[in-house]
Amino acid sequence: DGGITQSPKYLFRKEGQNVTLSCEQNLNHDAMYWYRQDPGQGLRLIYYSQIVNDFQKGDIAEGYSVSREKKESFPLTVTSAQKNPTAFYLCASSIMTGGGETQYFGPGTRLLVL
Amino acid sequence: GENVEQHPSTLSVQEGDSAVIKCTYSDSASNYFPWYKQELGKRPQLIIDIRSNVGEKKDQRIAVTLNKTAKHFSLHITETQPEDSAVYFCAAVRESSYKLIFGSGTRLLVRP
Repeated sequence: DGGITQSPKYLFRKEGQNVTLSCEQNLNHDAMYWYRQDPGQGLRLIYYSQIVNDFQKGDIAEGYSVSREKKESFPLTVTSAQKNPTAFYLCASSIMTGGGETQYFGPGTRLLVL
Repeated sequence: GENVEQHPSTLSVQEGDSAVIKCTYSDSASNYFPWYKQELGKRPQLIIDIRSNVGEKKDQRIAVTLNKTAKHFSLHITETQPEDSAVYFCAAVRESSYKLIFGSGTRLLVRP
């Protein structure tokens, strides 16, 4: 998991503003994921990508968008349509050998609304 | 779809005692079950995992058991230490899938 980086560590969003969270990995993993974690809660899947230029919605994709132009990078944009974005955002990655592989997490970005 | 239930939500033990956290899953095709430890404000970190062709796995003070028939798996921590205090998450994923389904987490407190 040391090969997954997220930036920034803290991010402040104003009303009506789109913000982008960065996730980079140098593990040569094919699959990447974004999770949202609210205080005292579990992890909920926002989006995931198994290959470059392809991604799928998770359980709570509304108000979020992603892109996967490079294998190493999977940025998440929190749009103004996400009315309650305050949360801890975690990026993860895994190899792909047919399914059921370990996911390794980045250090997270804490998003706060001003 | 797959659902993973985790119990208890909080667990308080005396240092040196054992702690057990249990998870049940609904999808009989699930074949990989990782456990993550998350300290306050930090990332979840894998501590142990088990696949469906194995019934038990140990790593020092940590062990995981899997009962495929009953569709439940458990995390066992022996000789608990204060540094074991954290939130623990179980997860399950079915063969050919990349979508981990997480339990709701157990907050473990080890009292010195």
